[in-house]
Amino acid sequence: SQTIHQWPATLVQPVGSPLSLECTVEGTSNPNLYWYRQAAGRGLQLLFYSIGIDQISSEVPQNLSASRPQDRQFILSSKKLLLSDSGFYLCAWSRMAGDYEQYFGPGTRLTVT
Amino acid sequence: SQQGEEDPQALSIQEGENATMNCSYKTSINNLQWYRQNSGRGLVHLILIRSNEREKHSGRLRVTLDTSKKSSSLLITASRAADTASYFCATATYKLSFGAGTTVTVRA
Repeated sequence: SQTIHQWPATLVQPVGSPLSLECTVEGTSNPNLYWYRQAAGRGLQLLFYSIGIDQISSEVPQNLSASRPQDRQFILSSKKLLLSDSGFYLCAWSRMAGDYEQYFGPGTRLTVT
Repeated sequence: SQQGEEDPQALSIQEGENATMNCSYKTSINNLQWYRQNSGRGLVHLILIRSNEREKHSGRLRVTLDTSKKSSSLLITASRAADTASYFCATATYKLSFGAGTTVTVRA
């Protein structure tokens, strides 16, 4: 069966510090991978999606970047965090791109102080 | 941008009652999906209904889709305390666009 992992589970970082959130998927090959951010009481905002290694699309221009160094690994990064980067970050995967159901990781709660 | 919008924002019901929430959207879609999120956790896929389907069932869940009105509804029958969660609709085009969700509280 497929599983998706995210770490860390929680993170408190000062403004201006770097960020690296990691997501890995097990039990499937060539997954489509997604990074979302969820503000408190809000829906999910798609940040990045990837249909393959080195194939990453950005949905919202911002202070973040994503990389996919391996088929089943997706990393969300920032060089300098802003207060507005605080939120709940969710990684997800799907078998195909686009309108297929997605499977979510447990999320990372990021607080920028 | 959020394509789907859920209504109501919050719902409180007694255990055993039914819970109904609605989702409205603006553009043509390939399918519409419903997800559940327990507090502080990731989302769990509940059900997918394609644009050419009108109704779908899964256990105690019933989803309807009216493409002419660009709306969908999720019905949870005989609710349980474990159904307490936030429920999101997601409209599918080339990507999923999530609404802000309906928070459901089931009182024992």
